[in-house]
Amino acid sequence: EPEVTQTPSHQVTQMGQEVILRCVPISNHLYFYWYRQILGQKVEFLVSFYNNEISEKSEIFDDQFSVERPDGSNFTLKIRSTKLEDSAMYFCASSEAGGQGWYEQYFGPGTRLTVT
Amino acid sequence: AQSVTQPDIHITVSEGASLELRCNYSYGATPYLFWYVQSPGQGLQLLLKYFSGDTLVQGIKGFEAEFKRSQSSFNLRKPSVHWSDAAEYFCAVGAGNNNDMRFGAGTRLTVKP
Repeated sequence: EPEVTQTPSHQVTQMGQEVILRCVPISNHLYFYWYRQILGQKVEFLVSFYNNEISEKSEIFDDQFSVERPDGSNFTLKIRSTKLEDSAMYFCASSEAGGQGWYEQYFGPGTRLTVT
Repeated sequence: AQSVTQPDIHITVSEGASLELRCNYSYGATPYLFWYVQSPGQGLQLLLKYFSGDTLVQGIKGFEAEFKRSQSSFNLRKPSVHWSDAAEYFCAVGAGNNNDMRFGAGTRLTVKP
């Protein structure tokens, strides 16, 4: 069964450094998402991406964050100048479509980011 | 914007007992509703979803949920809990216009032997 994969599973970085979290969505899916979950808190929507541009973003997704689909398979989340409060589990998801109606999102296993 | 409330942060039940996890949502139109389960250190697994039609939906692992529009609720139930059900449970609501989801704060389920 196709699945969303994420690498690395755990990333440790120093405050102020840039990190790139990688995701490989399901191959025929067109919409991609990032969510984050700070330890012990709820899962929060960050951004959705379609047709090589951001479809929607939350108030969390400020200029520190960017997303990119650099090739036909990867979907990345870049966090510039990381802060301690960026420590969280980051989930990637994909769906075959979006916009009108609803399409199920398939979640990856997550990348745990630790900022020290 | 859509939002979800899970009133119970932590619930403890005995193995074999019935379970009900509460979820209330806020959304102007007919919502898309979901329950996810997260085991420690794991990702999110979809238990069940409601899009339209029959308000009682069946999911995996013996779970079911009932959509009650009048109460803006989508409570999750299981008639007999197993020790392996111990996990964090998240209710989520989706908006069709952008396909993004908003999650509740989660309910942690502990199962006593």
